[in-house]
Amino acid sequence: TQLLEQSPQFLSIQEGENLTVYCNSSSVFSSLQWYRQEPGEGPVLLVTVVTGGEVKKLKRLTFQFGDARKDSSLHITAAQPGDTGLYLCAGAQRGSTLGRLYFGRGTQLTVWP
Amino acid sequence: NAGVTQTPKFRILKIGQSMTLQCAQDMNHNYMYWYRQDPGMGLKLIYYSVGAGITDKGEVPNGYNVSRSTTEDFPLRLELAAPSQTSVYFCASRTARDNSPLHFGNGTRLTVT
Repeated sequence: TQLLEQSPQFLSIQEGENLTVYCNSSSVFSSLQWYRQEPGEGPVLLVTVVTGGEVKKLKRLTFQFGDARKDSSLHITAAQPGDTGLYLCAGAQRGSTLGRLYFGRGTQLTVWP
Repeated sequence: NAGVTQTPKFRILKIGQSMTLQCAQDMNHNYMYWYRQDPGMGLKLIYYSVGAGITDKGEVPNGYNVSRSTTEDFPLRLELAAPSQTSVYFCASRTARDNSPLHFGNGTRLTVT
């Protein structure tokens, strides 16, 4: 079983469209991180959210942590081809051993020009 | 800055062979991790370490071994390679501070035939 469920698994859109990626769980997390991974490279951190209800913006990307700290979303406005990549959410549970992160399966985003 | 360096980038093994995947970081991070990534499955934790001489199992440790003799190095050993170990392996490191980001290497793509 997957602790963090991401949806959709694949997303293929045209440049300029908006999109939202979801990361859901039945468990409570002390924090959630979002990473982006490009082919042939390791994931790179985009943002960390730690407070329930928190909203963080990174240019055209908006990240939200659910009030109950069980879910998170990533919204991209006016997507560009450079946004193409695998988006991964990762959660740290309260009391988890030594900061272990549990990863979702990822959302593969393709933005066409 | 080198960050996290993994070698080799690619490797093909025959069933039953053994090999060591190398990982080195130059950021003086105490925490280091080994993940495997299979298509559509996200990242699964194999082993992790909180410092030299201290290692522990993650979610999928069977068939692997690790050691941590120095802060910088965290090699992953496969003793008897099996086709199920065909995957992309990522090493990552982070500081001990809560919610600090994982820094990933660029991965080792391993095929066992």
